[in-house]
Amino acid sequence: QVQLVQSGAEVKKPGASVKVSCKASGYTFTNYGISWVRQAPGQGLEWMGWISAYNGNTNYAQKLQGRVTMTTDTSTSTAYMELRSLRSDDTAVYYCARDKPVSQYYFDYWGQGTLVTVSS
Amino acid sequence: DIVMTQSPDSLAVSLGERATINCKSSQSVLYSSNSKNYLAWYQHKPGQPPKLLLYWASTRESGVPDRFSGSGSGTDFTLTISSLQAEDVAVYYCQQYYSTPPTFGQGTKLEIK
Repeated sequence: QVQLVQSGAEVKKPGASVKVSCKASGYTFTNYGISWVRQAPGQGLEWMGWISAYNGNTNYAQKLQGRVTMTTDTSTSTAYMELRSLRSDDTAVYYCARDKPVSQYYFDYWGQGTLVTVSS
Repeated sequence: DIVMTQSPDSLAVSLGERATINCKSSQSVLYSSNSKNYLAWYQHKPGQPPKLLLYWASTRESGVPDRFSGSGSGTDFTLTISSLQAEDVAVYYCQQYYSTPPTFGQGTKLEIK
């Protein structure tokens, strides 16, 4: 069965960086992409960006350009999302979700979520 | 970016009754070349990841009960739960994938009356 298992909760200080992992199983990793979606406390869902596990292409939300980097390790079927220069409003639950390999579509499988808390 | 607006923001429905959630996009998400509406619906319960319910506006994801249905085209869409069950209490989101960035509605909180 398809599973996306994310790394554990993180607490970071403002200005630091965080890197969240998302290990996929149950499907051919390189036949799909991974999108990252976050939810701040009391807020809705916000798409952060996408990476193709097929060819490594990326597409980031404009508001995060320059602060976010998404990568994959096809040898371990793992996707990573790194967010730098963290601010308090980056406090959120971060989800990885399976997407299409060449563009962003709907998200049929999701990781369990990783809480990232940014606090001094 | 395409703005997705859901209504209402919250909704209370009696068990066994029909629940209807609306979603409006700021521009059409109907792709004329394939006549598909690039619109998905998700159910999100506290402490769980969102769950895909419908895509292409009306195609039910595998395993989703048939009391969930989607309708609409172009800019106006509806999610209908035909007979509300206790386990349907959640926040529901629509999402367009017609153009990048994919965008979500603000969510509709569904409760039991």
